[in-house]
Amino acid sequence: SAVISQKPSRDICQRGTSLTIQCQVDSQVTMMFWYRQQPGQSLTLIATANQGSEATYESGFVIDKFPISRPNLTFSTLTVSNMSPEDSSIYLCSVQRDSSYEQYFGPGTRLTVT
Amino acid sequence: QKEVEQNSGPLSVPEGAIASLNCTYSDRVSQSFFWYRQYSGKSPELIMSIYSNGDKEDGRFTAQLNKASQYVSLLIRDSQPSDSATYLCAGLYNFNKFYFGSGTKLNVKP
Repeated sequence: SAVISQKPSRDICQRGTSLTIQCQVDSQVTMMFWYRQQPGQSLTLIATANQGSEATYESGFVIDKFPISRPNLTFSTLTVSNMSPEDSSIYLCSVQRDSSYEQYFGPGTRLTVT
Repeated sequence: QKEVEQNSGPLSVPEGAIASLNCTYSDRVSQSFFWYRQYSGKSPELIMSIYSNGDKEDGRFTAQLNKASQYVSLLIRDSQPSDSATYLCAGLYNFNKFYFGSGTKLNVKP
């Protein structure tokens, strides 16, 4: 598996502001992913972040709203921009081991937008 | 049709019984599957992965994949109250992305 940390663990933000979430892994990984889990719902993939290339966004998610950085093989950030209450959710990063397709999740960031 | 579908439950079983969790999938999903357990307020934790037709056992857990019928299941033997959680089924697509089912809430009663 992998040891994954996220910062912040939770935050309460005002409408119209932005929040950057950090994801740190204890070893180098090629594939990192960002998910959203809305209250009582399952996980929805926002984007895939590969080091050295632009993030790939899923349908319904755009770079202007969720810019992602991946400066090296152990770190990534997701920014939630111009937030509205609908962005209140848990945001999770995950990493994928190259030898299998298994994904391991960070502890998540609980975001509340007021 | 969703790519990966699960019964949301809740599924209630008595302690010591076998809990059976099921998942069906569409043609968009390649035939590699993953079961996650998620406790309330926590992130998903990988329990098992299965890549080929048949059964795969790990301790009290058995994953089953039936490609002809397009379903995958997770059996938990000797269920314990600590197994009470939401179980998420995920299928692989595009070589490295997951579709997650909506999850089945399991309640093991002492």
